[in-house]
Order: sequence, then structure tokens, then C-alpha cells
Amino acid sequence: QVPPKQWGAGLLKPSETLSLTCAVYGESFSGYYWSWIRQPPGKGLQWIGEINHSGSPNYNPSLKSRVTILVDTSKKQFSLRLTSVTAADTAVYYCARLGTSFWGQGTLVTVSS
Amino acid sequence: QSVLTQPPSLSGAPGQRVTISCTGSSSNIGAGYDVDWYQQLPGTAPKLLIYGNSNRPSGVPDRFSGSKSGTSASLAITGLQVEDEADYHCQSYDNSLSGYVVFGGGTKLTVL
Repeated sequence: QVPPKQWGAGLLKPSETLSLTCAVYGESFSGYYWSWIRQPPGKGLQWIGEINHSGSPNYNPSLKSRVTILVDTSKKQFSLRLTSVTAADTAVYYCARLGTSFWGQGTLVTVSS
Repeated sequence: QSVLTQPPSLSGAPGQRVTISCTGSSSNIGAGYDVDWYQQLPGTAPKLLIYGNSNRPSGVPDRFSGSKSGTSASLAITGLQVEDEADYHCQSYDNSLSGYVVFGGGTKLTVL
């Protein structure tokens, strides 16, 4: 199995928008929910949200006002947008299918002026 | 502040047995939602260790076992090995405003 591959900008200034994309290879895309999870340095995991192939998202209530997760089923990709970032959003961001070891490699996103 | 509570750290000697607890409430584990456990080695993405409270994916040694009772779950590791030194995270679901998918704060296991 090929793990998901994720990419996006790693350094942002406060108030900018975080944007990451995750591509799924060689794995069934439909029929599952695909999640974004983040891990601040030295801390635990926090679920950001998820989306299925039909485009139905669920979001963490604490981030809902700033998060958008979209899906492109034709490309087997899904994306994360987080607006108005602050230093508190500095973390390693993962895309994943929960309940499996099918996780992306992680992207360190640092928010600093 | 994580919805599920884990001890921040634990330690054990090689060959020993350790248990990591994951305490929730009536809106998550106590509501009947399953618990999964992940192992995270330094600098890597989490790897699924236990799913559905007590099931091991293919390739996970039977030294690892999971259980659930009431509003809590546990991960037991027997015959502790040096390579088990890692962070361990529990994960479940929640039907309150706390969120939908919830994680524990993670437990750093040190093998002395």
C-alpha cells in the first residue's frame, strides 16, 4: 500500500490562510471518510475534520468557523483550508484515513511573523 | 485539554508489562463508541495498533492488547521491548459539542 502524499506551504504569517492537499494512490477512495489531523510541537493529536467522496464534511467545533475541507474525487484528492492562522496553529498536519495506518507523511506548518 | 484523558508518561523495564489508560465519559467511550490505539515513533506518523477496542491489525505483535469497560479503555503491552518506546494515542468518537472524533493527550512510554 502506498501512503497518501500531502503537500502545501510550510511557513505562514499571522492572518494568512493555510492550504494543504492530500492525494490517495492505489487505495479505494470512495466509501470512506478522509481526515485532517494536526499535532502541535510536543503535544497530542487534534482532529480537524473529515470529508467523504460525496463532499460531505464534518468539522471539529472548535475550528469550524475557520476550516474548509474539499474533495476532488476524480483526482482522489482532498484539501484543507484554515483561515486567519495564528502561532497557535503551528503544528504538523496529517491527512489520514482513521482506523488504519494509512496516514500521510505530515507537513510542518509554522506560523511566524 | 483533550476530551480523552491519558497519563502523560509511563516507564517500564524490558520484559515487564505496562498498561496505558484512556478515560472518557458518557458522551464518548461510555456511549458505546469504539476505541482505537495508535503508536507513534519519534518523527513519524501514527501507526494503528488496536482497532475496535481489542482487535490487532495484521503484523501487530500479540504483545499488544486492548480492552474497554464503561467509560474507559486500556492498552496493555507485555514483554516490553526497547523498540516499544514511543508515544501512544487513544482515539474514539463523541456525540457532544466536544467534537466528533476525539483523541487522548498521548502517553510517552519510556523503556528503561
